[in-house]
Amino acid sequence: QSALTQPASMSGSPGQSITISCAGTNSDVGGYNYVSWYQQHPGKAPKLMIYDVSNRPSGLSNRFSGSKSGNTASLTISGLQAEDEADYYCSSYTTDGWVFGGGTKLTVL
Amino acid sequence: QVQLQESGPGLVKPSQTLSLSCTDSGGSISKGYYYWSWIRQPAGKGLEWIGRIYATGSTNYNPSLKSRVTISIDTSQNQFSLKLNSVTAADTAVYYCARDTVGITAAGVYWGRGTLVTVSS
Repeated sequence: QSALTQPASMSGSPGQSITISCAGTNSDVGGYNYVSWYQQHPGKAPKLMIYDVSNRPSGLSNRFSGSKSGNTASLTISGLQAEDEADYYCSSYTTDGWVFGGGTKLTVL
Repeated sequence: QVQLQESGPGLVKPSQTLSLSCTDSGGSISKGYYYWSWIRQPAGKGLEWIGRIYATGSTNYNPSLKSRVTISIDTSQNQFSLKLNSVTAADTAVYYCARDTVGITAAGVYWGRGTLVTVSS
């Protein structure tokens, strides 16, 4: 069960859109429509932002959206805001349970 | 309201067993239809899923930790627990307990605040 692959860091300016990728295999991302994304601010617990590839929990901003193509999932954040600066983790269901990506540190310039 | 809280020793000696518990002040552990997970995060590093348990006692473990991990649940006490044996410094991390919810398939919808466990002599 290897960690999913994410870019270590990304940056964007306020108002821009960014897309974070999450590469897996056909044993995880490609094999199930159970990809989720988490946001984590320093010193805080992760917060679920997207589940089942593209669904948002109730009350979450529609600036966050998810998609998947083959073995790669993506999180898009539109209209970047200062409070979006955080670490983002993807996660996928696998035959053994769950696996996380290595995380992407997003900087809002 | 779901409020998860981890508890247990913050310092464990190498080769010993790390033991943590998680309770939900909202009482949902006793309700019996959620998956309960343990997830850890070494300082400055990413999240690692340790394993999960259902109210029936059915478990799944991360293959890389499976030989050292036991997760159990006590619905009568409204808590579930983690035991990780033969610990080393590499097991030093913030340990989170988490729960899914009906209609959402994810490792954690609700999370505890996390508890730091340091492995050191």
